[in-house]
Order: sequence, then structure tokens, then C-alpha cells
Amino acid sequence: GAGVSQSPSNKVTEKGKDVELRCDPISGHTALYWYRQRLGQGLEFLIYFQGNSAPDKSGLPSDRFSAERTGESVSTLTIQRTQQEDSAVYLCASSPGTAGNNEQFFGPGTRLTVL
Amino acid sequence: AQSVTQLGSHVSVSEGALVLLRCNYSSSVPPYLFWYVQYPNQGLQLLLKYTSAATLVKGINGFEAEFKKSETSFHLTKPSAHMSDAAEYFCAVRPSNTNAGKSTFGDGTTLTVKP
Repeated sequence: GAGVSQSPSNKVTEKGKDVELRCDPISGHTALYWYRQRLGQGLEFLIYFQGNSAPDKSGLPSDRFSAERTGESVSTLTIQRTQQEDSAVYLCASSPGTAGNNEQFFGPGTRLTVL
Repeated sequence: AQSVTQLGSHVSVSEGALVLLRCNYSSSVPPYLFWYVQYPNQGLQLLLKYTSAATLVKGINGFEAEFKKSETSFHLTKPSAHMSDAAEYFCAVRPSNTNAGKSTFGDGTTLTVKP
């Protein structure tokens, strides 16, 4: 009965490097979300996948950010040419169905530090 | 369009005292509303949700919230605080007229419980 898992739990990188963050959703969950949480702030929506539909990328802050999802399984969030302002906790969540009242199940997050 | 305002970024109560965390929302369509709790270095966990059924919603750990349409509020309460309630709490809104889709989160309220 595994929940949402994310890896790595912590990532320290140098400015200008690319990073890849991974999310393993709960098996069978069709929806997957990525959020960014800056220190002392709420969650900022980045991108949302729902089944085989085109993802909602409206929250991606720049073209340096991209995400992919293979079917209804693993997702990766890639940040190219990282900047110091990208430092944050990146949270992934999944939910079981398409209804808006479905709970989102969150992973523990990846803490990204850009030096 | 939707938004969430959590009044008070920090709330401090004594153990055994009433907990009241405030959330006001704005939504152009009837909303679904959620409260999540985040313990240090962990992901978010759902406390309770309002999905257009009963306006008084009971959740885990003795928390409850009341949806008041006229006041556009969804405040979280607990009659008697426990030390283990110390955490960060997030209110979130999602439109009810879409299938799943992104949630909009407030900036969070940090609850401190004094012995």
C-alpha cells in the first residue's frame, strides 16, 4: 500500500545545471499534479496530467520547466539551466479519478537547492 | 478564477484551547474546499473536504470546518488543541464544474501549541 513517492528527497545543484525530479504516483491514480512550495509560502501549481489527455501546463513558470508522464505511471519534472530562484520544495500529488472532489495524495517532496 | 486567503500566517494557542484557522475563498463557480495539514519535512495530508453535501464537515484528528457561502469562508476549528496539532495548515479551493484539475492553495497558517 505504497503512497506517492518522490526522488531524490534532496537535491543540491549548481546554477546553470539541469535537474530531473521523479514522482511515482499511487497505482491506478489517473491524475498527477506537480506543485512548487517556496519557503514560507503556499503551493504553486505547475502542471497537471489527467489520463491520456493533454496536460495542463498553465502553471509552468518558464520554458526551462517541462514535465512528462508515461501513461498513468511515473512522471518526471525537468528544470533546465537552474537558477537560484528555482530553489524550493517540489511536491507531487496524485488522485484516483476525474471528479473535482477527489482528494489529492501528496508525496513527501523533493527539496531543491540551487547554489 | 479562484483564490484563497488565509488570515494569520501564524497562530499560537495553549494546549487545550480552541483552535481557529481562518480561510476565505473566491470562486466564480460553486467550489470544492479542502484543508490539508503538513508536518515538518512531510507532504500534505487531507484533514477534511467540502463537496457540496453537508456544510459542517468533520475530519480527522477532531478537526471540523463549516462552509458559509454568504461569508465565502471555510474556517477550520478544533475544540481542544493538542501538542501534536502543531503543524502548517493549508486551505485549498477547486472549482466544482470541472473534472479534477488544479487546486488553488492559500499561503498556509503555522499553528504553534504551547504547553
